[in-house]
Amino acid sequence: GEDVEQSLFLSVREGDSSVINCTYTDSSSTYLYWYKQEPGAGLQLLTYIFSNMDMKQDQRLTVLLNKKDKHLSLRIADTQTGDSAIYFCAESRGDKIIFGKGTRLHILP
Amino acid sequence: IAGITQAPTSQILAAGRRMTLRCTQDMRHNAMYWYRQDLGLGLRLIHYSNTAGTTGKGEVPDGYSVSRANTDDFPLTLASAVPSQTSVYFCASSERQGVDTQYFGPGTRLTVL
Repeated sequence: GEDVEQSLFLSVREGDSSVINCTYTDSSSTYLYWYKQEPGAGLQLLTYIFSNMDMKQDQRLTVLLNKKDKHLSLRIADTQTGDSAIYFCAESRGDKIIFGKGTRLHILP
Repeated sequence: IAGITQAPTSQILAAGRRMTLRCTQDMRHNAMYWYRQDLGLGLRLIHYSNTAGTTGKGEVPDGYSVSRANTDDFPLTLASAVPSQTSVYFCASSERQGVDTQYFGPGTRLTVL
């Protein structure tokens, strides 16, 4: 299909790792992104990965890219209450950026 | 100001009224975008502009118009609002259209009754 797909909800216990998955459609996408939206706010870029990379790590965040399967994942280590937000996967497609519908991450105490 | 701002923060509007949502950025970005965010539908692109003086249609342009008279401002106009335009509207900008990181405004929550 044409959509960037991601599950709508994820619940994780505080201190555990969160893994948010995404599948995209355009094998020629140059960049893939993860944006974070906190309640009542706009989206903010969290991290991105260039298409010739397999993995990118930035503090508690790890992005894994499987180009063969067009699969992108975001791992958040030691999940905190402040990580509660909606996470959007996005791909560059030609002259546009296409967003997924977002995954709402809920943190359990 | 720093970054991208939107006004108003929220608005309740009667159906049939005209409304302009304002968006201003001070980053001298060439590209600007308007999205609407609806529960279960994610972000949908309404209109975009590659550079001052040009605009283009996104995924859901009907009922909306935009203008880009200068680099900084990108207003979105609803000529005759309808209830289905009730949504949260986000303006965004990027240095160039396409691959560059998009920076988002805080959003305008619009309710059309």
